[in-house]
Amino acid sequence: GAVVSQHPSRVICKSGTSVKIECRSLDFQATTMFWYRQFPKQSLMLMATSNEGSKATYEQGVEKDKFLINHASLTLSTLTVTSAHPEDSSFYICSPGPLGQETQYFGPGTRLLVL
Amino acid sequence: QKEVEQNSGPLSVPEGAIASLNCTYSDRGSQSFFWYRQYSGKSPELIMFIYSNGDKEDGRFTAQLNKASQYVSLLIRDSQPSDSATYLCAVRNSGYSTLTFGKGTMLLVSP
Repeated sequence: GAVVSQHPSRVICKSGTSVKIECRSLDFQATTMFWYRQFPKQSLMLMATSNEGSKATYEQGVEKDKFLINHASLTLSTLTVTSAHPEDSSFYICSPGPLGQETQYFGPGTRLLVL
Repeated sequence: QKEVEQNSGPLSVPEGAIASLNCTYSDRGSQSFFWYRQYSGKSPELIMFIYSNGDKEDGRFTAQLNKASQYVSLLIRDSQPSDSATYLCAVRNSGYSTLTFGKGTMLLVSP
């Protein structure tokens, strides 16, 4: 399967600060990156889909100005949570594409806690 | 609205027993079906996927798909305490769409 890394694995920050999460596809070129969020005891919810070199597509209800996604290369995509608030505390997980894969693998996730 | 439904559990089985996990989905256009295992605090890891009606076996795991009933299940034979986790069912309606996940079923295997 695909080897995916995320950094940091865990972050605690104060309300109002910005947090950047990096996702790296280590063994294949990811033209697409899916970003998911998972609240406790809830399902994984797709937040946005990023394509290398173009703007990300956000799911309904996800603020594009709050969750900035950059997919500048085939191996790196970043998600920046701007002006984080306690309700943004969640488990953020990336998953590389391209679409059409038989399977979908996930990064190890980043646990964000906003105080 | 595409929905994937799972019983949240917990499903408790003794070690060595067969665990049966079930999932229903609403979109008849769904084409591929996935089972993931998620340990507490970790991201999901793929167990297996199935496309065609019937059974697909991989080691101790068997996925069963019935498209007419919009039902997919996962059987775990010879359950081990290390199988204790939350099992997520996910559905994709074509090769060019993302996955829709259920909320997961927590499985507890007692020694």
